[in-house]
Formats: sequence, structure tokens, C-alpha cells
Amino acid sequence: DGGITQSPKYLFRKEGQNVTLSCEQNLNHDAMYWYRQDPGQGLRLIYYSQIVNDFQKGDIAEGYSVSREKKESFPLTVTSAQKNPTAFYLCASAAVSNQPQHFGDGTRLSIL
Amino acid sequence: GNSVTQMEGPVTLSEEAFLTINCTYTATGYPSLFWYVQYPGEGLQLLLKATKADDKGSNKGFEATYRKETTSFHLEKGSVQVSDSAVYFCALRGDQGAQKLVFGQGTRLTINP
Repeated sequence: DGGITQSPKYLFRKEGQNVTLSCEQNLNHDAMYWYRQDPGQGLRLIYYSQIVNDFQKGDIAEGYSVSREKKESFPLTVTSAQKNPTAFYLCASAAVSNQPQHFGDGTRLSIL
Repeated sequence: GNSVTQMEGPVTLSEEAFLTINCTYTATGYPSLFWYVQYPGEGLQLLLKATKADDKGSNKGFEATYRKETTSFHLEKGSVQVSDSAVYFCALRGDQGAQKLVFGQGTRLTINP
């Protein structure tokens, strides 16, 4: 079955550490997205990529970094510069940017 | 910029009740509108969409009509079930530039048997 796989489901980070969240899709989609979800709030866009080897900052990119070396993969690194990283992170993809987005099941990141 | 405002939750209803979750938007041009649903511990699933004024999106008994004159896209269902308990997000995608999705804050719905 085609879909989006996020791993791990739960992730714990120590203060001062960088951590990388994985997002893989086998839908052959060009566009991929990372969102952050905090309790009682909507989703906020961190980074997006419309094509391989290209990506743009979203609304809350500070403290995060991404890469898009392969069409199917869009990993997100939460750096130590992100002062409040505890959140639910969702990855999404779309065939092209004007098509509906499909979401993975998310990664919940917590600080130890 | 573009924005979406949703009815504040939580909303609690009895089974078979009528559901309305209000959503209004601010956008330039001709955005597309969406409703997504999120079940506990999961990602978002597309529930329905409408891409132009007066379009009605529908799925699983849910409906929403794109009303440009009132800039609204209210979600309705005639008879809710316990399995409809979830968080519902209204979203819009602009028709300019990178066409990013903008989400409302979500409305938590609980249906009691």
C-alpha cells in the first residue's frame, strides 16, 4: 500500500542534542511538508519542498533544518537551537503543491 | 495573509444529533478549502474538499459548502456516531505562490452514546 511512514513514533531528546525525524513516502509525490502541532492549536508549517534538492522555510523554521536528497525522503532535524521542541510533528506529501496533502501518523518528541 | 478561524471546542453531542462546526476564512483570490479529521494519536486524514465557490464537498455523511459571499465552509452531519469523535481541522490553500495549507486551530468533537 502506498503511504507516508514517519519514524520513530515517540522520540526523546536530551537538552543540547540534535535529533532527526524520518519521513518516507512511496506515493511518488513531488511535494513534501513538515508541520508542528501543539496542544489545542492548529498545524504550523516548518519547512516544505516542492522538488528534490530544493526546500523553503515555512512559518516557524527557526531551530529546524531539512534536506531533500531523494524524492521519497524528507528528514527533519530538530537542533539544540529550538528552545521548545516538545510537540507532535507531522509530515505530509502531495503529488504537486496544488493537490491535497496526505499525512503520516506523526512523531511525538519530548525533552528528557 | 491567509487565515482560518474555527468554532472553538470542545463540542460534545449525543449520538444521532445534528453537527455543525463553523469555519470562516480570510484569503485573497480563489482559495481551495478542506476539512481534515484527526483521530487520537494519528495524523490527519482528508475528509472533504471544495475548490471553487458554491462547490459542496461530501464524504462519510459529512458535507460542507464553499460560500464565497460569507467566506465560510461550515462542516455538517445529520446524525453523528460515536466513531465520529475526533479533532476536525478546517484549512485553506491559496491560489498564489507555493500554495501552502493554512489550518484553523481544530475543534475537538466528542460523541456520547
